[in-house]
Amino acid sequence: ELKVEQNPLFLSMQEGKNYTIYCNYSTTSDRLYWYRQDPGKSLESLFVLLSNGAVKQEGRLMASLDTKARLSTLHITAAVHDLSATYFCAVDINDMRFGAGTRLTVKP
Amino acid sequence: EAQVTQNPRYLITVTGKKLTVTCSQNMNHEYMSWYRQDPGLGLRQIYYSMNVEVTDKGDVPEGYKVSRKEKRNFPLILESPSPNQTSLYFCASSFWGSYEQYFGPGTRLTVT
Repeated sequence: ELKVEQNPLFLSMQEGKNYTIYCNYSTTSDRLYWYRQDPGKSLESLFVLLSNGAVKQEGRLMASLDTKARLSTLHITAAVHDLSATYFCAVDINDMRFGAGTRLTVKP
Repeated sequence: EAQVTQNPRYLITVTGKKLTVTCSQNMNHEYMSWYRQDPGLGLRQIYYSMNVEVTDKGDVPEGYKVSRKEKRNFPLILESPSPNQTSLYFCASSFWGSYEQYFGPGTRLTVT
């Protein structure tokens, strides 16, 4: 059965610092997604990674995919308060499987 | 405005009383999907549809039904709701092959 594991589940960081969220999955897939969810809101698509070695960047966020290691990372550079949210990764193998989410809090 | 709409946004009901949550999108998307979100579990896919009259089970389909008679609509039906179906439900849609899903605002369902 496909399992998608994110870590950490909770992350508190200072503004200006860098950090990485990890997403491991248990079955071969070459489609991985990252979403953002603000408290009480819906999900917003951040990145779609479709091949091994794919790297995408938007502002202070950069996502990468290593299909051989079954690992995706979401790297945060010089965090700002506006990045505080919950981040989900998801893997698509026939049906979509989401990780449990990483709740990120960026403190001044 | 391109959007996915869900109704109702909030619903409190009793065990066994049939209910339908509607989902509609105005982007001509082929793919539509339903998820439930529970604390600590992320989102779990209930059902998805690749096009009209084509539906398939996701990870947690038990207790739910769906239909796709029109491209824009994908209702979620709970024939006999139970308290363990208390959750936050999201509908999503995308073009087939684009993979970027657009999510609705969510429906918070409480079954007592």
